[in-house]
Amino acid sequence: QVQLKETGPDLVQLTQTLSITCTVSGFSLTTYNVHWVRQPPGKGLEWMGAMWNGGGTDYNSAFKSRLSISRDTSKSQVFLKMNSLQTDDTAKYFCARGYGYNPSFRYWGQGVMVTVSS
Amino acid sequence: DTVLTQSPALAVSPGERVSISCRASEGVNSYMHWYQQKPGQQPKLLIYKASNLASGVPARFSGSGSGTDFTLTIDPVEADDTATYFCQQSWNDPFTFGSGTKLEIK
Repeated sequence: QVQLKETGPDLVQLTQTLSITCTVSGFSLTTYNVHWVRQPPGKGLEWMGAMWNGGGTDYNSAFKSRLSISRDTSKSQVFLKMNSLQTDDTAKYFCARGYGYNPSFRYWGQGVMVTVSS
Repeated sequence: DTVLTQSPALAVSPGERVSISCRASEGVNSYMHWYQQKPGQQPKLLIYKASNLASGVPARFSGSGSGTDFTLTIDPVEADDTATYFCQQSWNDPFTFGSGTKLEIK
């Protein structure tokens, strides 16, 4: 069955870099896209960016040049890396599967809660 | 960015019909999707492309709309429907979500 699982740190220091891995199973990264969505505590959802099935990426300009998404298809993993973390980056980070260029997200990981600490 | 506007909260009694609206600041074609999220859980897809019921979702849920105005309807509402409901568009870049409508079942 389709599964996505995020792994990453619980705590990141202010101005440091966040690295999260999304490990998928039950589908191929060369067929489906993987998107990153975050949710600050008690707040709404924010789309961060995507790794397209063809290997290209797309980023929400709100993250300017802080965000990088990459993948290792041989390991069925997609990576999020974001630098210069601030306290308002404290959030639960989800990866989700999409299909096509105008996707909905049927499958989500459980998310990883990351706190940025000073 | 495409702003999606939702009412913050609604309260209804079991058995009633409830409509949750989502208005987009610009057209999104039919690429509006609806999610249910309960505390501590990931969002669950209910409706995709405005009116298509996601697999395994009860037929009590339905969606309608196109362009800029969309509606999620639950009829009849059950106690387990207590949750926050988000709309999401995937027509314009960046993809965006509404701020969510918290549904309380009285």
